[in-house]
Amino acid sequence: KAGVTQTPRYLIKTRGQQVTLSCSPISGHRSVSWYQQTPGQGLQFLFEYFSETQRNKGNFPGRFSGRQFSNSRSEMNVSTLELGDSALYLCASSLVGGGDQETQYFGPGTRLLVL
Amino acid sequence: AQSVTQLGSHVSVSEGALVLLRCNYSSSVPPYLFWYVQYPNQGLQLLLKYTSAATLVKGINGFEAEFKKSETSFHLTKPSAHMSDAAEYFCAVTTNRDDKIIFGKGTRLHILP
Repeated sequence: KAGVTQTPRYLIKTRGQQVTLSCSPISGHRSVSWYQQTPGQGLQFLFEYFSETQRNKGNFPGRFSGRQFSNSRSEMNVSTLELGDSALYLCASSLVGGGDQETQYFGPGTRLLVL
Repeated sequence: AQSVTQLGSHVSVSEGALVLLRCNYSSSVPPYLFWYVQYPNQGLQLLLKYTSAATLVKGINGFEAEFKKSETSFHLTKPSAHMSDAAEYFCAVTTNRDDKIIFGKGTRLHILP
């Protein structure tokens, strides 16, 4: 079974631009969560989608948004990029999510550099 | 709210020596606890998880962790370190009342030859 895939793997943008990242979960998984990983802040939860609906959201500004499609694939968008948005963005999928004891499977991440 | 504290952002051990990575949690209800490993330029991989069954949990690659409620700890150990264990390790917590997982800051494990 294929794992979680994320595209693109690397991205360079300039301040003020916007970016869209994509995540394809493991087949059959309906929950997709997004995390931002930086050296200073570690792993921070962005949001979770389940059945095309945002179910949970972390403490990030409105510039960060996402969506999920009927095939469970998810995209996240960051508008008006800032230097501090440079990070590794990780996507994780699980069967039904919602925290609990269910295992999350992570993709390799998209490394975003904002210049 | 739940939280996780990992003691030591960097830990160095000699090859063949005991690995001990510390994790303390805070939770007002019974927690579910996880250890993940991240190799360079890769995503996170689950090592093991505690879900209120046995307090000693065995994971992949020879790692294990023991849940100690009295100490609110879930330390990760491996009897003999291998060079391939060099990576960053994350402890995480959630509960059946939570809808997201909280990660610790991570501990980077260095293996000395």
